[in-house]
Amino acid sequence: GENVEQHPSTLSVQEGDSAVIKCTYSDSASNYFPWYKQELGKGPQLIIDIRSNVGEKKDQRIAVTLNKTAKHFSLHITETQPEDSAVYFCAASLTGNQFYFGTGTSLTVIP
Amino acid sequence: DAGVIQSPRHEVTEMGQEVTLRCKPISGHNSLFWYRQTMMRGLELLIYFNNNVPIDDSGMPEDRFSAKMPNASFSTLKIQPSEPRDSAVYFCASSASFFGQGTRLTVV
Repeated sequence: GENVEQHPSTLSVQEGDSAVIKCTYSDSASNYFPWYKQELGKGPQLIIDIRSNVGEKKDQRIAVTLNKTAKHFSLHITETQPEDSAVYFCAASLTGNQFYFGTGTSLTVIP
Repeated sequence: DAGVIQSPRHEVTEMGQEVTLRCKPISGHNSLFWYRQTMMRGLELLIYFNNNVPIDDSGMPEDRFSAKMPNASFSTLKIQPSEPRDSAVYFCASSASFFGQGTRLTVV
């Protein structure tokens, strides 16, 4: 089955700096890659996603890039703010039903 | 829409007791997912339903776990008998992208 690895497990950045979280996947057939933000005591919230026919997608301060050849995808957050502090999860899916999640990155934005 | 609603938010029970977790998905969504989250294993898919029918329950850890979706607006996840290693946060998700707030289960 699919195996998703996520790095780093923890990340601290100064407010205003950029944060980058990287994930790799093993199954080249996977074609949908969502990213989730999970705040303390809450469920994961979908923040951005990308499909395998697209190399990059942007939504305000958040962007995701996908390299199908290398089987890795990344989340980029620019101009970080304290409210960006949370745990971020990447996931990979082939069917849109079975999702394989990374182990999460705890992001801390230092004011 | 109120989003995915799970109850209870917290549950503490004694080993051996039956536990029932409840979920109300977003109206109109055809798929419903049950996940378990622990520090050790992260987010694991337990089972998902499509149009109220269980499609894949390969993630259900043991026969002690069962899930039902009697109609489009309600699902339950039952653990009987519960064990301390079942302690985790259980999430219900609607159409894979919309998660509930979760139920934190502690089995003592």
